[in-house]
Amino acid sequence: SAVISQKPSRDICQRGTSLTIQCQVDSQVTMMFWYRQQPGQSLTLIATANQGSEATYESGFVIDKFPISRPNLTFSTLTVSNMSPEDSSIYLCSAGRQGAEAFFGQGTRLTVV
Amino acid sequence: TQLLEQSPQFLSIQEGENLTVYCNSSSVFSSLQWYRQEPGEGPVLLVTVVTGGEVKKLKRLTFQFGDARKDSSLHITAAQTGDTGLYLCAGAWSGGSNYKLTFGKGTLLTVNP
Repeated sequence: SAVISQKPSRDICQRGTSLTIQCQVDSQVTMMFWYRQQPGQSLTLIATANQGSEATYESGFVIDKFPISRPNLTFSTLTVSNMSPEDSSIYLCSAGRQGAEAFFGQGTRLTVV
Repeated sequence: TQLLEQSPQFLSIQEGENLTVYCNSSSVFSSLQWYRQEPGEGPVLLVTVVTGGEVKKLKRLTFQFGDARKDSSLHITAAQTGDTGLYLCAGAWSGGSNYKLTFGKGTLLTVNP
């Protein structure tokens, strides 16, 4: 298993600003992902964070809005840029090895006002 | 696009009752994972099923993977209030160098005392 630390755990931000969420894994993993989740609902994959190269984004998500970094095998960041109230959600980091289970951080609850 | 249909979406039962959650797809998955999530936390992995027809038990929880690896079920016997939470199934799909999890919509279970 992998232990994933995500911060901040929650934040309230002004519209038009940006927030960077950090994800640290306690062991080297092949895959890291970023998800978005509305409370009580399922997870929507934003992108796969690739080490040393541009992230792979899912349909409906773009790099300008959600820039992602992954400088090494254990760390990644997701930035939510130029935020609007529609960006209020829970953002989750996930990590694992290809073909194996994925483990999750505790999530970042973002409220944009 | 790999889709995973999960049902029911909501389930409210009395303590001591049994329940089954279903996860179905038209796609074949390399493995299927079940997660449980409590408010304010990230999803926690319960089990991974890999082989068609596989059955795994975790105390009062029984997980089954369909013979064709397109469907799965989670059965809880004698539910307890501590079983309350969001249950998510996720199919692992691997295509070439891509690997991702496809999540069902989730089942929000409430076990009443």
